[in-house]
Amino acid sequence: KAGVTQTPRYLIKTRGQQVTLSCSPISGHRSVSWYQQTPGQGLQFLFEYFSETQRNKGNFPGRFSGRQFSNSRSEMNVSTLELGDSALYLCASSLSPDATNEKLFFGSGTQLSVL
Amino acid sequence: AQRVTQPEKLLSVFKGAPVELKCNYSYSGSPELFWYVQYSRQRLQLLLRHISRESIKGFTADLNKGETSFHLKKPFAQEEDSAMYYCALIGSLSFNAGGTSYGKLTFGQGTILTVHP
Repeated sequence: KAGVTQTPRYLIKTRGQQVTLSCSPISGHRSVSWYQQTPGQGLQFLFEYFSETQRNKGNFPGRFSGRQFSNSRSEMNVSTLELGDSALYLCASSLSPDATNEKLFFGSGTQLSVL
Repeated sequence: AQRVTQPEKLLSVFKGAPVELKCNYSYSGSPELFWYVQYSRQRLQLLLRHISRESIKGFTADLNKGETSFHLKKPFAQEEDSAMYYCALIGSLSFNAGGTSYGKLTFGQGTILTVHP
């Protein structure tokens, strides 16, 4: 069974641009969540989707958005990029949104560098 | 607000020595706690969770509500335990009426454990 797949693996953008990251969950998993990982802030929750609905959102500005498609694949978009958006963006999937009972499976991440 | 604190960024021990990775949390309700691990060049993965009361790879963690701690312990460290360890929390306020959380994990800053031969 393939794991969580994130594309692209690396991305370099300049300030002011926008970027779209993609996440394909494990087959059969319907919950997808996104996290930002930086050396200074560690891992921070961005948002979580289940059945194409955003169920929870972290404390990030509106420039960060996401969506989930009917096949459970998810995308996140960051508009008007800032230097501080440089980070590793991790996607995780699980069968359901009940994270206390369901194991989260993480992807390898997309490393975004904003110049 | 919920917060997870891992006071040690780096922890070094020798093989065979006991190891304890500290985790303290701040949350007004009843949290569920987890330890995640990331080995070199591997993905972040769940190590163990409080509700399962399990022992994985010799690691255990006990929730101490009085001290608001969830320290990870292993009596005899192995070189293959070297990794980055994250403590994480889901607060009960994430639960809907049906008792299902929404997957909003709050992570600590992480502790890099190095086990020397």
